[in-house]
Amino acid sequence: EVQLVESGGGLVQPGVSLKLSCAASGFTFDESAIHWVRQASGQGLEWIGRIRSRSDNYATAYAESLRGRVTISRDDSKNTAYLQMNSLRTEDTATYYCTSLVVRGNFNWFDPWGQGTLVTVSS
Amino acid sequence: IQMTQSPSSLSASIGDRVTITCRASQSILKDVNWYQQKPGKAPKLLIYAASSLQSGVPSRFSGSGSGADFTLTIANLQPEDSASYYCQQSYGTLLAFGGGTKVEI
Repeated sequence: EVQLVESGGGLVQPGVSLKLSCAASGFTFDESAIHWVRQASGQGLEWIGRIRSRSDNYATAYAESLRGRVTISRDDSKNTAYLQMNSLRTEDTATYYCTSLVVRGNFNWFDPWGQGTLVTVSS
Repeated sequence: IQMTQSPSSLSASIGDRVTITCRASQSILKDVNWYQQKPGKAPKLLIYAASSLQSGVPSRFSGSGSGADFTLTIANLQPEDSASYYCQQSYGTLLAFGGGTKVEI
């Protein structure tokens, strides 16, 4: 079964850092780009960024609004991707999803998605 | 590239035909995907490459458009279609979602 499982969320205080994990199974993880998406309660989906595969030099890209505070990394030996967020703010409170990018010819889309992990930033 | 989705919400009856639109801030060819999300669940892919139906998705869902204007249509609306729907542009390096449409039955 193709699966992504996020972990590492929880209640944190403003200003701290947090590292989320995304464990993959059932597909060729090391050939896949992994993206992170978040969603505040009752709000829409926000793309955070991505990391490509080794064959694409693990290239990363980030949303402009978060650039400088987030870092995406991966460990192919563990089939796991990570999202590091620094200087957390209350507005970072959201459910964080990881998803794999499927590429077919000139087109690509997100599938599958993890179940999400909730991060609550509050004092 | 920004995606402007409308309406933000709608109410329709069983059997209705529903149309949701997304407009890109520039031409993105056919690089648009559509997702359905139910409360407490992760998004689920419905349509990729603007008009291709994902395997297992009911045929009452369809997508169309190219360039900057795209449409998701739900024909013969069913109770299980009550959900939020998001378009997503997959053109270029920085990806983005539309603001979402909540469909109530």
